[in-house]
Amino acid sequence: QVQLQESGPGLVKPSQTLSLTCTVSGGSINSGDYYWSWIRRHPGKGLEWIGYMFYTGSTYYNPSLKGRVAISIDTADNQFSLKLYSVTAADTAVYYCARVGFSDYHFDSWGQGTLVTVSS
Amino acid sequence: QSALTQPPSASGSPGQSVTIPCNGTSSDVGGYNHVSWFQHHPGKAPKLIIYEVTKRPSGVPDRFSGSKSDNTASLTVSGLQTEDEADYFCSSYAGDNNWVFGGGTELTVL
Repeated sequence: QVQLQESGPGLVKPSQTLSLTCTVSGGSINSGDYYWSWIRRHPGKGLEWIGYMFYTGSTYYNPSLKGRVAISIDTADNQFSLKLYSVTAADTAVYYCARVGFSDYHFDSWGQGTLVTVSS
Repeated sequence: QSALTQPPSASGSPGQSVTIPCNGTSSDVGGYNHVSWFQHHPGKAPKLIIYEVTKRPSGVPDRFSGSKSDNTASLTVSGLQTEDEADYFCSSYAGDNNWVFGGGTELTVL
């Protein structure tokens, strides 16, 4: 059974770059069957899809974040990463990594999430 | 504000049924059958319980069911059990490789 685990700093200063990594175990990130995605939940609010990437390098981002976000994949380490640039307090959230089926169109596996706080 | 609207809370007694709505638009819930529901216990990974509006992954009890009418999807939990107490949120494909989620509904089993 595939497992996903987020890792990265829990505190980022305003205007800096938020960087997180998702390690995938129990399945290959380059299987061709899934998009690898980042999703976040602001405190007390709903979830927001950030974007996802196919192992070939194709990336798709939430239009509201386009220009500030980059997702990349490291097939050698079976990981994928998120970079969010020029963060503000509004980017404080729990960040989740998840996979969505290439043809199934549902998020079938998620990580536990990691809280990232943007504060000086 | 979330793209999909859910009530912040719902409740029911053990054995009862509760239905949680997820209101979207014709551009997401109403336009695609790629509506999913997730169960989320604090500190744990969200768990997929319904996909493609009505389908249940293997291992999910048939007490959980999904439906859709126009721009509103619904999750029904029948025969409520104490372990069903959790946060439930919906998601929908919104076209052009874009996805939207609900704000989540905290279900309390009284």
